[in-house]
Amino acid sequence: DSGVTQTPKHLITATGQRVTLRCSPRSGDLSVYWYQQSLDQGLQFLIQYYNGEERAKGNILERFSAQQFPDLHSELNLSSLELGDSALYFCASSVGGGGAYIQYFGAGTRLSVL
Amino acid sequence: QQQVKQSPQSLIVQKGGISIINCAYENTAFDYFPWYQQFPGKGPALLIAIRPDVSEKKEGRFTISFNKSAKQFSLHIMDSQPGDSATYFCAASRLTNTGNQFYFGTGTSLTVIP
Repeated sequence: DSGVTQTPKHLITATGQRVTLRCSPRSGDLSVYWYQQSLDQGLQFLIQYYNGEERAKGNILERFSAQQFPDLHSELNLSSLELGDSALYFCASSVGGGGAYIQYFGAGTRLSVL
Repeated sequence: QQQVKQSPQSLIVQKGGISIINCAYENTAFDYFPWYQQFPGKGPALLIAIRPDVSEKKEGRFTISFNKSAKQFSLHIMDSQPGDSATYFCAASRLTNTGNQFYFGTGTSLTVIP
């Protein structure tokens, strides 16, 4: 168990809908990363937050947004969902915002858009 | 554009054999190269990582070889065991003090046959 908690484990929704994925980092970790894992593109970095501030941004779609709250949990919001958004979404956490800190991954949320 | 290219896509090795997975990158600014191991239904977990100031790093049966001039790095698993059967991802990042964007390879599915 990595100590990173992601909810829900599975999410089934329809195209055009909006969903929210939640991540609770390991105790003491201030950084949260979000990744999308699809069969054809592997793991794609979406965004990183550190202590509530956005620190790094990958190829995150404009339909997607994230935030980190004062209690350090993070939410990834996906809107106007398309079939292609079906994927595993992982959250990871680390102690620091930069540097070679180990990232600990949660078990992921599997999103199915029908 | 894939920043990190990984091969092979899948690999079958006999128990006790050597598993070799290769990765190549383009961006010479990358200065941190981790490898992750992922079992079905789990998130990736850091296996071993290397910085470009060394050409090799070994941790138990796992070794990273790094060739800065060729912009390539590889993971060697010695004495491969059935328990090593998993998907392996290489990654690269340019570390900063504030935040890190990670680029992942597409993964290698390793099967170790007893």
